[in-house]
Amino acid sequence: QVHLVQSAAEVKEPGASMKVSCKASAYIFNTYYIHWVRQAPGQGLEWMGRIHPNSGATNYAQNFQGRVTMTRDTSISTVYVEVTRLRSDDTAMYYCAKGVQGGFDPWGQGTLVTVSS
Amino acid sequence: QSALTQPPSVSGSPGQSVTISCTGTSSDVGSYNRVSWYQQSPGTAPKLMIYEVSNRPSGVPDRFSGSKSGNTASLTISGLQAEDEADYYCSSYTSSSTYVFGSGTKVTVL
Repeated sequence: QVHLVQSAAEVKEPGASMKVSCKASAYIFNTYYIHWVRQAPGQGLEWMGRIHPNSGATNYAQNFQGRVTMTRDTSISTVYVEVTRLRSDDTAMYYCAKGVQGGFDPWGQGTLVTVSS
Repeated sequence: QSALTQPPSVSGSPGQSVTISCTGTSSDVGSYNRVSWYQQSPGTAPKLMIYEVSNRPSGVPDRFSGSKSGNTASLTISGLQAEDEADYYCSSYTSSSTYVFGSGTKVTVL
């Protein structure tokens, strides 16, 4: 069964950076995009971007251009999302999800990132 | 990229049908069949319910169906059950090679 396992929750100060990991298993890692989606407390889903593990090619949502970087380590089937210059409104649950036929399935369990001084 | 427009809430009694709309533009929903729907219960990750407008993944009950007309996609839940109470989100691919989600709809089973 395909699994995506994310890193543990983080607490960061404003202005710092965060880096969340997502480890894939039980499928050919290089074949499918991995997407990142975040959800602020009580709010809706927001697509952040995607990375293709084979080429490293990325697409980012306009809202995150210049502040988000997605990378991968194919040797351990893991992708990463890094967000710099954190603000309080970056407090959210961050999810990774495997891209399938125009959708996202499955999803990781989520990583809560709290930005607070 | 603005979020796709969904009604904030819909409700129905058990056994009834409810339909959730998802309105975009000719740059997203209107131009691509990469429209999908997600169910999210409190404290859990979203679950894929429909992909490519109208296809159901294995394990999703056939009372969930999807369609699209022009710039608007729709999710219909027929024979509503108590377990269907959740938040639902649509998503679409866009002409910028990005994706966008809908604003979300809370489904209440009366």
